Amino acid sequence: EDQVTQSPEALRLQEGESSSLNCSYTVSGLRGLFWYRQDPGKGPEFLFTLYSAGEEKEKERLKATLTKKESFLHITAPKPEDSATYLCAVQASGGYQKVTFGTGTKLQVIP
Amino acid sequence: DAGITQSPRHKVTETGTPVTLRCHQTENHRYMYWYRQDPGHGLRLIHYSYGVKDTDKGEVSDGYSVSRSKTEDFLLTLESATSSQTSVYFCAISESTGANEKLFFGSGTQLSVL
Repeated sequence: EDQVTQSPEALRLQEGESSSLNCSYTVSGLRGLFWYRQDPGKGPEFLFTLYSAGEEKEKERLKATLTKKESFLHITAPKPEDSATYLCAVQASGGYQKVTFGTGTKLQVIP
Repeated sequence: DAGITQSPRHKVTETGTPVTLRCHQTENHRYMYWYRQDPGHGLRLIHYSYGVKDTDKGEVSDGYSVSRSKTEDFLLTLESATSSQTSVYFCAISESTGANEKLFFGSGTQLSVL
């Protein structure tokens, strides 16, 4: 069974204090690993897709990396507007509809 | 923002009553999905559709049915609502299942079954 575990559950940072969120996964053949951002009362918003170990993608203050067992979402010099819940998900190669989501990391950035 | 509209945004109903949630898209995407989101659980797939009148079950499909009579509309029905179906329901769409598998989500429907 595919599994996604995100840590920490919650993270509180001062503005400008860089940190990383972790996503550990087990999947029967990785087709893709996804990061989404979810604001309160809204649906998740796509950030990145990573396909193979060693791959990295960046968007503004966010950088996602991937190894064979985990992914990190690095947040550099965060701002209050980066406060949100960040979701990780994996798609197995066996079925395109089988996307398994983690429970997320709730990030709060304090001014 | 992807053109996805969910209705209603909030609904309170009683146990045993039927409930239908609607998802409408203006993107003409082939694939549509219904997820539920509960505390302590990641988003879980209920049903999905890969075309008009083509649907299939997800991992938590018991107690739910879906229909897709037009490309733009995907309906989720709870035939007889139970308290365990209290949740936030999200509709999602995707253009393909190839290199562009990213999902676009609606804003959700908060359903409370009393």
